[in-house]
Amino acid sequence: QSALTQPASVSGSPGQSITISCTGTSSDVGGYNYVSWYQQHPDRAPKVVIYDVSKRPSGVSNRFSGSKSGNTASLTISGLQAEDEADYYCSAYRSSSTLVFGTGTKVTVL
Amino acid sequence: QITLKESGPTLVKPTQTLTLTCTFSGFSLSATGVGVGWIRQPPGKALEWLALIYWTNGERYSPSLRNRLTITKDSSKNQVVLTMTNMDPVDTATYYCAHRDPAMVVFDYWGQGTLVTVSS
Repeated sequence: QSALTQPASVSGSPGQSITISCTGTSSDVGGYNYVSWYQQHPDRAPKVVIYDVSKRPSGVSNRFSGSKSGNTASLTISGLQAEDEADYYCSAYRSSSTLVFGTGTKVTVL
Repeated sequence: QITLKESGPTLVKPTQTLTLTCTFSGFSLSATGVGVGWIRQPPGKALEWLALIYWTNGERYSPSLRNRLTITKDSSKNQVVLTMTNMDPVDTATYYCAHRDPAMVVFDYWGQGTLVTVSS
């Protein structure tokens, strides 16, 4: 099954806002409001920062926000901080009750 | 407090079958809505979802790997087992198990992962 498409890398300076896109199809991103985003630091397990397109788990900074338009979901990190430097993956529910991850985006804080 | 930990061989030979065990605590896999999934990540590459098992014993598999995967659970032992047949060097990866929250379509707790290398 094909992965969701993300940009390979996004960068920004401290304090800036960045947006990561996640493009799928009408069978996954566009068809359900079950898009989630994971943050992964080197040699660590992923951590969820957004679920159900735009909901934040308890304890996640409100600098993280999510949205969706058609077949593309987006993660925005505002007030970029050094600790935000990590890999980010989107994930979506796909028809037939399966799941799919994105190709991953490396965020660099300049 | 929910915790999960993966265990199994660190090295397998090509064509062998891999068996990984996820031992968890802090939740019951008999509780309505709960699921445990497996996800893998080849070195330097992206996450890939493999399989998911629900409290009902319902199973879901990645379409591209479903003919090689089997996921089972033993709720009394708080364990989920993943088997993958016909291992190949491209299956070298860190394998994670994760808890799926009943109210969310998301993996909210993850194990530390276990690196499995496939080599002769």
